[in-house]
Formats: sequence, structure tokens, C-alpha cells
Amino acid sequence: DAGVIQSPRHEVTEMGQEVTLRCKPISGHNSLFWYRQTMMRGLELLIYFNNNVPIDDSGMPEDRFSAKMPNASFSTLKIQPSEPRDSAVYFCASSGDRANTGELFFGEGSRLTVL
Amino acid sequence: AQSVTQPDIHITVSEGASLELRCNYSYGATPYLFWYVQSPGQGLQLLLKYFSGDTLVQGIKGFEAEFKRSQSSFNLRKPSVHWSDAAEYFCAVGASTGFQKLVFGTGTRLLVSP
Repeated sequence: DAGVIQSPRHEVTEMGQEVTLRCKPISGHNSLFWYRQTMMRGLELLIYFNNNVPIDDSGMPEDRFSAKMPNASFSTLKIQPSEPRDSAVYFCASSGDRANTGELFFGEGSRLTVL
Repeated sequence: AQSVTQPDIHITVSEGASLELRCNYSYGATPYLFWYVQSPGQGLQLLLKYFSGDTLVQGIKGFEAEFKRSQSSFNLRKPSVHWSDAAEYFCAVGASTGFQKLVFGTGTRLLVSP
């Protein structure tokens, strides 16, 4: 079975440019999570969706960040405009176990470098 | 709200030696507990999980963890470490009620010496 698929794996961009990260969750999973990982702050939950609806976006750092989930098989995280401090690895994870235990399945991440 | 503490940032273990990584959690009810491993450049992979029942749980790659309610701990163990176990290990806790949102610890980086 295919796992969580993220693209691009690596992105290098200049400050001020728009960045779009993409995620395809595991088929049948109904929850999707975006995390950011940095050396300084570790793993931070940015936003999560349940049945395509954003449930909690309190982790989104500021208005430059936005996330959408137009359907059950696709989500985007957009940064506009990007800044050097946004450099990090962004992970997408999905969950869908019927016992609602919260077990997450992670993608391999998108490493973003903003110059 | 739940929280997780991993008190060790780095641990170095000799190959073949035993390993124990510490994890303490804070949650008012019985938690759901997880250990994930992250190899360099990779995403997080689930090692094992505890929901209920037997407090000693077995996972992949020869790892086990024991839930101790009295100590609010869920320490990860392996009897004999292999060089390929060098990675970062994350403990996570989920609430047993309400919508699921895992809270992760800050991670412990395991180094394996020859």
C-alpha cells in the first residue's frame, strides 16, 4: 500500500517567493496533519483536518501560512511570502484508524530552504 | 492537555549493549502512548504503541516499552543495540477521549559506538 506522499522532497527558494507543499494522505484516512520540524523547536503541529475540514490551526505561525484540503486525497500548505526563518522540514501525516487512537502515518517530508 | 518529556537529548550506546530511552507523560486519564523513530532524511516510523491491556508492549526491530502508570512513564528498551539503530526517537502521547491529536516529545538522538 502507498504511504503518505509529499512533494516536493526538497525546495530551495528566495525570500519573498511563494512556496506550495503538497500531500496525498493514505487512502481511507480521514484525518490529516501538517507538522514542521526544526532543530530549535522540534516537531510542531501546524494544522490538522478531519474529513477535509480544518479543526485546529492554532499552530500556524502567522498569516503568511495557509493550508487547504479540497478533497480527501489532497492537501496543500502554502507560504506566501516566504522568509528565511521558514526553513524547515515540513511533514504531512494521516490517521484513520477506527479506534480513534491517534496513530499517525508520516510522509518523508519536504525540506524547505529559503535564502 | 497532555504533554511529554524526554529528558535525554543524546545517548551513546556501544553496539551490542542494552538501551533504555526515557519518556514521561502528563495526562489525567489513561493515555495512548507511542514511540516513533526517525532516521536521517526520513519521516517518522511507528515502533510500537500502547492503548490498553498488557503494559509491556512489543514493537518492530526488537524494541519493547513498558507503561508504568505509577511513574507516568513509557520507557523504550532494546536488549542489544545494532549500529542501524542510530536515529532519533520520539515519544508521543494521545488523549483517550475526544479528537485525537498527538503531542510529541523533543526527541532523543541515539548514537551507537563500535
